Amino acid sequence: EPEVTQTPSHQVTQMGQEVILRCVPISNHLYFYWYRQILGQKVEFLVSFYNNEISEKSEIFDDQFSVERPDGSNFTLKIRSTKLEDSAMYFCAIPTDQYNEQFFGPGTRLTVL
Amino acid sequence: AQSVSQHNHHVILSEAASLELGCNYSYGGTVNLFWYVQYPGQHLQLLLKYFSGDPLVKGIKGFEAEFIKSKFSFNLRKPSVQWSDTAEYFCAVTPSGGSYIPTFGRGTSLIVHP
Repeated sequence: EPEVTQTPSHQVTQMGQEVILRCVPISNHLYFYWYRQILGQKVEFLVSFYNNEISEKSEIFDDQFSVERPDGSNFTLKIRSTKLEDSAMYFCAIPTDQYNEQFFGPGTRLTVL
Repeated sequence: AQSVSQHNHHVILSEAASLELGCNYSYGGTVNLFWYVQYPGQHLQLLLKYFSGDPLVKGIKGFEAEFIKSKFSFNLRKPSVQWSDTAEYFCAVTPSGGSYIPTFGRGTSLIVHP
């Protein structure tokens, strides 16, 4: 079973600040995904990333968001100028052995004040 | 595009009670169906999945779900819940042979009183 960790577990930031959320899979993966869950709402897809390029993105993933694989292992989600409505849990996920399944990380709770 | 509805947003049960959580999806083609569970403070974990074959699917921890194609439903069941089943439950769907990105329902919060 693949595993993935996320850091930080909780991030508090001021509106307008940049945040970087990190996802670290235990083993090498080319494919990964970012989702967010606003409190009380459903889990929403943000972006998928394959082999160092964005594969798919939702309408939520606008110009303030970016994803990178800065060092060949970590995956990052950057929010350039946070807004109050960016407060949410952010999950990264990687495919399991069966590519139609995903293994989710523990999430980062982002609070924008 | 597909969509998923979970009609029960909050469910409160006593231990040993039976559980059924509703999930309906909307999509014109064949689908893969999932139930995920999120225990307090933990990550989303896969409970069970349906790809094809027997529409009655057994998952971990005594959970099962039945795919009823005519009703576009994939309800989750457990005959006797335990306090440790307290969690958030999410139904999700992906189109067969299509995008691997699941569309999630809003989730159902289950609280089981000891």
